[in-house]
Amino acid sequence: NAGVTQTPKFRVLKTGQSMTLLCAQDMNHEYMYWYRQDPGMGLRLIHYSVGEGTTAKGEVPDGYNVSRLKKQNFLLGLESAAPSQTSVYFCASRLWGGSNQPQHFGDGTRLSIL
Amino acid sequence: AQTVTQSQPEMSVQEAETVTLSCTYDTSENNYYLFWYKQPPSRQMILVIRQEAYKQQNATENRFSVNFQKAAKSFSLKISDSQLGDTAMYFCAFPTYSGAGSYQLTFGKGTKLSVIP
Repeated sequence: NAGVTQTPKFRVLKTGQSMTLLCAQDMNHEYMYWYRQDPGMGLRLIHYSVGEGTTAKGEVPDGYNVSRLKKQNFLLGLESAAPSQTSVYFCASRLWGGSNQPQHFGDGTRLSIL
Repeated sequence: AQTVTQSQPEMSVQEAETVTLSCTYDTSENNYYLFWYKQPPSRQMILVIRQEAYKQQNATENRFSVNFQKAAKSFSLKISDSQLGDTAMYFCAFPTYSGAGSYQLTFGKGTKLSVIP
């Protein structure tokens, strides 16, 4: 009963390096989200997807790209990491987009950019 | 734009006592849902309770209950008989319409609750 799984859990990068965070869900959810969490800022939406093959920008999309090639996976990419992208990243999914649907979260990825 | 405000960045409560965390929101919609999430030091985001706006009755889940005041756009969380395991960040969340029949959650900035032995 895995739910939402994020890999890796921790990562340290140097400025300018690239990397991809993977989110996988086994609940057959249509909607998937990527958030970042910074101290005093709560969770802010980076990108989201309403189904396989679709993506859309959230509140803070700059510097990130996403892909949803398979329904169960949602990838977040940093092409050229910057120190401002040091944060904790959360992936979430929900069955569909109705307002009554809670989101199910992964355990987060702590990313540090040096 | 719809906003969610949690005005208490930090709170503390003695073990076994009751504490209330406040949340206010801004919306022009009439039917909607509200959520409280808990984030313990383990970093997991855990759904605590959900309230349906068109229901008069306040939601309750064991020691957790809400005080929902629709006219005042207020959605506070009450924790009774506080336990050490309740120490966590608590986030209020409100669904924001993003088009094409889809809603996404807008989160408040959180309240850090410490339960003191």
